[in-house]
Amino acid sequence: DTEVTQTPKHLVMGMTNKKSLKCEQHMGHRAMYWYKQKAKKPPELMFVYSYEKLSINESVPSRFSPECPNSSLLNLHLHALQPEDSALYLCASSQAGSPATNEKLFFGSGTQLSVL
Amino acid sequence: GENVEQHPSTLSVQEGDSAVIKCTYSDSASNYFPWYKQELGKGPQLIIDIRSNVGEKKDQRIAVTLNKTAKHFSLHITETQPEDSAVYFCAARGSYIPTFGRGTSLIVHP
Repeated sequence: DTEVTQTPKHLVMGMTNKKSLKCEQHMGHRAMYWYKQKAKKPPELMFVYSYEKLSINESVPSRFSPECPNSSLLNLHLHALQPEDSALYLCASSQAGSPATNEKLFFGSGTQLSVL
Repeated sequence: GENVEQHPSTLSVQEGDSAVIKCTYSDSASNYFPWYKQELGKGPQLIIDIRSNVGEKKDQRIAVTLNKTAKHFSLHITETQPEDSAVYFCAARGSYIPTFGRGTSLIVHP
């Protein structure tokens, strides 16, 4: 299994809603990532989990809350989002646990989020 | 930190032509340079990568070249096909997470 699976594929939410994005991989990778991608732009790093611990937070607002329940799962909890948070949210994984040595990133297909 | 410039932003070619996308980077410590292809509605997928101790790498119709002295690297696609149409991102990694270029939208006309 060489896939990173993300659910849901699409999500529409209001600014007062709470929702969660889910990511799963069964490749035995020890680092997992959340990226945000706006249309026609490159992916922007949000968070990195290394060996199930948060190792990098790129100054992301607290309305985004990541969680790594185990080595195969990564969640992103959303609360009180703004319309400008509408974007494609990508999950990725890589084999080694240290971001400094990681090379190949495996991306999921993303969750297209719309905040109304 | 690392800064990656990518050109052109849009590239339109006829089927069968070659396509070249160029990137430059700023951090001389960067040692790994992947290229990702992103099709509509999908996440980026790694198509080829090169390390700093190698000058060129080929995989069928795609190749990447690296010039460490000039700090630039390029993606070459030969005999382009309509299914090559996508957005291509270069990236450079030193001691941190890869930094992406701004992307090139490649359009291959049948």
